[in-house]
Amino acid sequence: DAGVTQSPTHLIKTRGQQVTLRCSPISGHKSVSWYQQVLGQGPQFIFQYYEKEERGRGNFPDRFSARQFPNYSSELNVNALLLGDSALYLCASSPGGGGTGGQPQHFGDGTRLSIL
Amino acid sequence: GIQVEQSPPDLILQEGANSTLRCNFSDSVNNLQWFHQNPWGQLINLFYIPSGTKQNGRLSATTVATERYSLLYISSSQTTDSGVYFCAVATPGRRALTFGSGTRLQVQP
Repeated sequence: DAGVTQSPTHLIKTRGQQVTLRCSPISGHKSVSWYQQVLGQGPQFIFQYYEKEERGRGNFPDRFSARQFPNYSSELNVNALLLGDSALYLCASSPGGGGTGGQPQHFGDGTRLSIL
Repeated sequence: GIQVEQSPPDLILQEGANSTLRCNFSDSVNNLQWFHQNPWGQLINLFYIPSGTKQNGRLSATTVATERYSLLYISSSQTTDSGVYFCAVATPGRRALTFGSGTRLQVQP
């Protein structure tokens, strides 16, 4: 079975632009979470979605938004890109139940976003 | 929010050596995972271990939930074990994994 897939793998943008990152969860998983990993640090939680509804949000500005589709895939959008948005963006899926508690999360290989 | 501390921050081993990585957390958890992030950035699941002991080949992990710590053991280390090891936890009712700052392991031939 395929794992969590993310696209694109790499992306280069300039300040002020907008970007959309995509994630397909493991088949049968209904919950998708997004994390940002800045170089040298551990991943930081951005959003969690379950059954197309936002179930959790981390400490990120409103420039960050996301949505989940009926097939449980998800998109992360970032507007008005800043240099500090340069990072590895990771998507994780879990079976569901509306939260991470008690269920392992499985991560994709990430999208490496570079802002010039 | 919950605090997660990992030690040591850096570790250099010779191939074949054993090591123990530690993860301390500040609150009760119902999810604890160990990950290995390889040099290409891939975050690989090692263990889902909110309590108890598990083993997978040369790796094993133990979580003592009542004392709020977890240990990852690596035996007979290989150069392919190099990378960053993260511990991540979630508390009941919380939607997110909180990651520690990681242990950077370098295994030399």
